[in-house]
Amino acid sequence: AQSVTQLGSHVSVSEGALVLLRCNYSSSVPPYLFWYVQYPNQGLQLLLKYTTGATLVKGINGFEAEFKKSETSFHLTKPSAHMSDAAEYFCAVSDQKSGGYNKLIFGAGTRLAVHP
Amino acid sequence: EAQVTQNPRYLITVTGKKLTVTCSQNMNHEYMSWYRQDPGLGLRQIYYSMNVEVTDKGDVPEGYKVSRKEKRNFPLILESPSPNQTSLYFCASSFKGVAQYFGPGTRLTVL
Repeated sequence: AQSVTQLGSHVSVSEGALVLLRCNYSSSVPPYLFWYVQYPNQGLQLLLKYTTGATLVKGINGFEAEFKKSETSFHLTKPSAHMSDAAEYFCAVSDQKSGGYNKLIFGAGTRLAVHP
Repeated sequence: EAQVTQNPRYLITVTGKKLTVTCSQNMNHEYMSWYRQDPGLGLRQIYYSMNVEVTDKGDVPEGYKVSRKEKRNFPLILESPSPNQTSLYFCASSFKGVAQYFGPGTRLTVL
Protein backbone atom coordinates (compact mmCIF):
# COMPACT_ATOMS: atom_id res chain seq x y z
CA ALA A 1 0.00 0.00 0.00
CA GLN A 2 1.13 3.52 -0.67
CA SER A 3 1.91 5.89 2.16
CA VAL A 4 3.19 9.42 2.70
CA THR A 5 5.37 10.73 5.52
CA GLN A 6 5.76 14.42 6.17
CA LEU A 7 8.68 15.18 8.46
CA GLY A 8 7.80 17.84 10.97
CA SER A 9 4.23 18.61 11.93
CA HIS A 10 5.22 22.23 12.57
CA VAL A 11 7.81 24.32 10.75
CA SER A 12 8.64 27.90 11.66
CA VAL A 13 10.64 30.29 9.46
CA SER A 14 11.37 33.98 9.35
CA GLU A 15 9.97 36.16 6.63
CA GLY A 16 12.38 36.08 3.68
CA ALA A 17 13.94 32.77 4.69
CA LEU A 18 13.93 29.56 2.71
CA VAL A 19 10.91 27.32 3.14
CA LEU A 20 11.57 23.56 3.03
CA LEU A 21 8.77 21.11 3.75
CA ARG A 22 9.73 17.47 3.56
CA CYS A 23 7.71 14.65 2.04
CA ASN A 24 8.67 11.01 1.53
CA TYR A 25 6.44 8.41 -0.05
CA SER A 26 6.30 4.71 -0.54
CA SER A 27 4.95 3.25 -3.74
CA SER A 28 5.51 0.08 -5.71
CA VAL A 29 4.63 1.80 -8.98
CA PRO A 30 5.52 5.21 -10.42
CA PRO A 31 3.49 7.64 -8.39
CA TYR A 32 1.67 10.84 -9.06
CA LEU A 33 2.60 13.34 -6.36
CA PHE A 34 0.86 16.45 -5.14
CA TRP A 35 1.21 19.32 -2.71
CA TYR A 36 -1.89 21.03 -1.38
CA VAL A 37 -2.20 24.10 0.85
CA GLN A 38 -4.97 24.75 3.35
CA TYR A 39 -5.46 28.25 4.68
CA PRO A 40 -7.40 28.66 7.93
CA ASN A 41 -11.07 27.76 7.59
CA GLN A 42 -10.72 26.96 3.90
CA GLY A 43 -10.61 23.89 1.71
CA LEU A 44 -7.52 22.47 0.06
CA GLN A 45 -5.95 24.20 -2.91
CA LEU A 46 -3.63 22.43 -5.31
CA LEU A 47 -0.13 23.98 -5.22
CA LEU A 48 1.58 21.72 -7.73
CA LYS A 49 1.65 18.18 -9.06
CA TYR A 50 4.06 15.72 -10.60
CA THR A 51 2.76 13.13 -13.02
CA THR A 52 5.45 12.45 -15.63
CA GLY A 53 8.28 14.30 -17.33
CA ALA A 54 10.40 17.00 -15.72
CA THR A 55 11.19 16.18 -12.12
CA LEU A 56 11.33 19.81 -10.97
CA VAL A 57 7.79 21.07 -10.80
CA LYS A 58 6.83 24.70 -10.39
CA GLY A 59 3.57 25.65 -8.75
CA ILE A 60 1.63 28.66 -7.68
CA ASN A 61 2.81 31.36 -5.25
CA GLY A 62 6.49 30.71 -5.99
CA PHE A 63 6.58 27.15 -4.68
CA GLU A 64 8.36 24.28 -6.37
CA ALA A 65 9.06 20.64 -5.64
CA GLU A 66 11.49 18.09 -6.98
CA PHE A 67 10.67 14.44 -7.51
CA LYS A 68 13.66 12.31 -6.52
CA LYS A 69 12.94 8.69 -7.28
CA SER A 70 16.13 7.37 -5.66
CA GLU A 71 15.23 9.08 -2.40
CA THR A 72 11.44 8.55 -2.74
CA SER A 73 11.05 12.21 -1.88
CA PHE A 74 9.01 15.16 -3.10
CA HIS A 75 10.11 18.08 -0.91
CA LEU A 76 8.41 21.47 -1.27
CA THR A 77 10.53 24.62 -1.34
CA LYS A 78 10.16 28.36 -1.69
CA PRO A 79 13.22 30.65 -1.75
CA SER A 80 11.74 33.46 0.32
CA ALA A 81 8.85 33.07 2.74
CA HIS A 82 6.04 35.60 2.95
CA MET A 83 3.71 36.12 5.85
CA SER A 84 0.87 35.01 3.59
CA ASP A 85 2.46 31.55 3.25
CA ALA A 86 1.41 30.65 6.78
CA ALA A 87 -0.90 27.67 6.32
CA GLU A 88 -1.03 23.90 6.54
CA TYR A 89 0.58 21.95 3.72
CA PHE A 90 -0.28 18.44 2.67
CA CYS A 91 1.71 16.09 0.49
CA ALA A 92 -0.26 13.40 -1.32
CA VAL A 93 0.42 10.42 -3.56
CA SER A 94 -1.99 8.82 -5.94
CA ASP A 95 -3.07 5.21 -5.68
CA GLN A 96 -4.01 3.96 -9.11
CA LYS A 97 -7.40 2.28 -9.11
CA SER A 98 -8.78 0.19 -11.89
CA GLY A 99 -10.55 2.22 -14.53
CA GLY A 100 -8.09 5.09 -14.45
CA TYR A 101 -9.37 6.87 -11.36
CA ASN A 102 -6.91 7.79 -8.65
CA LYS A 103 -7.33 8.02 -4.92
CA LEU A 104 -5.16 10.43 -3.00
CA ILE A 105 -3.19 9.19 0.01
CA PHE A 106 -2.37 12.16 2.22
CA GLY A 107 0.38 12.83 4.67
CA ALA A 108 -0.48 14.12 8.13
CA GLY A 109 0.30 17.70 7.17
CA THR A 110 2.86 20.34 8.11
CA ARG A 111 1.79 23.61 9.64
CA LEU A 112 4.02 26.45 8.45
CA ALA A 113 4.41 29.54 10.62
CA VAL A 114 6.14 32.64 9.24
CA HIS A 115 7.54 35.19 11.68
CA PRO A 116 8.39 38.83 10.95
CA GLU B 1 -16.83 29.77 -11.83
CA ALA B 2 -15.72 26.17 -11.38
CA GLN B 3 -16.42 25.07 -7.86
CA VAL B 4 -17.37 22.36 -5.41
CA THR B 5 -19.95 23.42 -2.85
CA GLN B 6 -20.85 21.77 0.43
CA ASN B 7 -23.72 22.37 2.83
CA PRO B 8 -23.90 22.93 5.66
CA ARG B 9 -20.50 24.41 6.49
CA TYR B 10 -20.99 23.89 10.21
CA LEU B 11 -23.24 21.38 11.99
CA ILE B 12 -23.70 20.42 15.61
CA THR B 13 -25.92 17.41 16.22
CA VAL B 14 -26.58 14.69 18.77
CA THR B 15 -25.78 11.01 18.72
CA GLY B 16 -28.15 8.97 16.58
CA LYS B 17 -29.83 11.81 14.70
CA LYS B 18 -29.57 11.14 10.97
CA LEU B 19 -27.94 13.83 8.89
CA THR B 20 -26.93 14.51 5.30
CA VAL B 21 -24.11 16.69 4.04
CA THR B 22 -24.62 17.75 0.46
CA CYS B 23 -21.92 18.15 -2.18
CA SER B 24 -22.33 19.58 -5.64
CA GLN B 25 -19.88 20.32 -8.46
CA ASN B 26 -20.42 22.34 -11.65
CA MET B 27 -17.52 20.99 -13.70
CA ASN B 28 -19.22 17.88 -15.11
CA HIS B 29 -16.63 15.73 -13.33
CA GLU B 30 -17.11 11.99 -13.30
CA TYR B 31 -15.14 11.29 -10.14
CA MET B 32 -16.26 12.50 -6.71
CA SER B 33 -15.13 11.54 -3.25
CA TRP B 34 -15.49 12.30 0.43
CA TYR B 35 -12.63 12.73 2.88
CA ARG B 36 -12.47 13.37 6.58
CA GLN B 37 -9.68 15.38 8.14
CA ASP B 38 -8.51 14.72 11.69
CA PRO B 39 -5.54 16.32 13.48
CA GLY B 40 -2.34 14.37 12.96
CA LEU B 41 -3.96 12.02 10.46
CA GLY B 42 -4.27 14.19 7.37
CA LEU B 43 -7.19 13.40 5.08
CA ARG B 44 -8.63 9.92 4.72
CA GLN B 45 -11.01 8.84 2.01
CA ILE B 46 -14.47 7.72 3.11
CA TYR B 47 -16.23 6.86 -0.17
CA TYR B 48 -15.75 7.62 -3.81
CA SER B 49 -17.82 7.48 -6.97
CA MET B 50 -16.55 6.95 -10.50
CA ASN B 51 -19.84 7.93 -12.13
CA VAL B 52 -23.60 7.96 -11.65
CA GLU B 53 -24.76 4.92 -9.67
CA VAL B 54 -21.14 3.73 -9.22
CA THR B 55 -19.76 4.06 -5.70
CA ASP B 56 -17.16 2.25 -3.63
CA LYS B 57 -15.65 2.29 -0.17
CA GLY B 58 -12.53 4.23 0.67
CA ASP B 59 -10.32 3.70 3.70
CA VAL B 60 -12.77 4.65 6.47
CA PRO B 61 -16.34 3.89 5.27
CA GLU B 62 -17.83 2.58 8.53
CA GLY B 63 -20.84 4.59 9.66
CA TYR B 64 -21.29 6.43 6.37
CA LYS B 65 -23.42 6.03 3.26
CA VAL B 66 -23.35 7.81 -0.08
CA SER B 67 -25.43 7.97 -3.22
CA ARG B 68 -24.78 9.22 -6.75
CA LYS B 69 -28.07 9.65 -8.56
CA GLU B 70 -26.93 12.67 -10.56
CA LYS B 71 -23.49 13.45 -11.91
CA ARG B 72 -23.19 16.78 -10.10
CA ASN B 73 -24.31 15.66 -6.61
CA PHE B 74 -22.71 13.29 -4.12
CA PRO B 75 -24.32 13.51 -0.65
CA LEU B 76 -22.77 11.97 2.45
CA ILE B 77 -25.24 10.36 4.84
CA LEU B 78 -24.68 9.57 8.50
CA GLU B 79 -27.67 7.46 9.52
CA SER B 80 -26.74 7.21 13.21
CA PRO B 81 -23.92 9.64 13.97
CA SER B 82 -21.58 8.96 16.87
CA PRO B 83 -19.06 11.23 18.62
CA ASN B 84 -16.13 9.57 16.81
CA GLN B 85 -17.52 11.01 13.58
CA THR B 86 -16.82 14.52 14.83
CA SER B 87 -14.47 15.77 12.14
CA LEU B 88 -13.91 18.13 9.23
CA TYR B 89 -15.33 16.71 6.01
CA PHE B 90 -14.30 17.55 2.47
CA CYS B 91 -15.92 16.68 -0.81
CA ALA B 92 -13.73 16.56 -3.91
CA SER B 93 -14.25 16.08 -7.62
CA SER B 94 -12.07 15.45 -10.65
CA PHE B 95 -12.16 14.33 -14.27
CA LYS B 96 -10.28 11.04 -14.44
CA GLY B 97 -8.78 12.00 -11.11
CA VAL B 98 -5.11 12.91 -11.33
CA ALA B 99 -5.88 16.10 -9.45
CA GLN B 100 -8.87 16.93 -7.36
CA TYR B 101 -10.85 20.06 -6.60
CA PHE B 102 -11.97 20.37 -3.01
CA GLY B 103 -15.00 21.95 -1.44
CA PRO B 104 -14.70 24.39 1.49
CA GLY B 105 -15.34 21.75 4.14
CA THR B 106 -18.07 20.89 6.65
CA ARG B 107 -17.20 20.94 10.32
CA LEU B 108 -19.35 18.37 12.11
CA THR B 109 -19.68 18.00 15.86
CA VAL B 110 -21.60 15.02 17.26
CA LEU B 111 -22.49 15.36 20.95
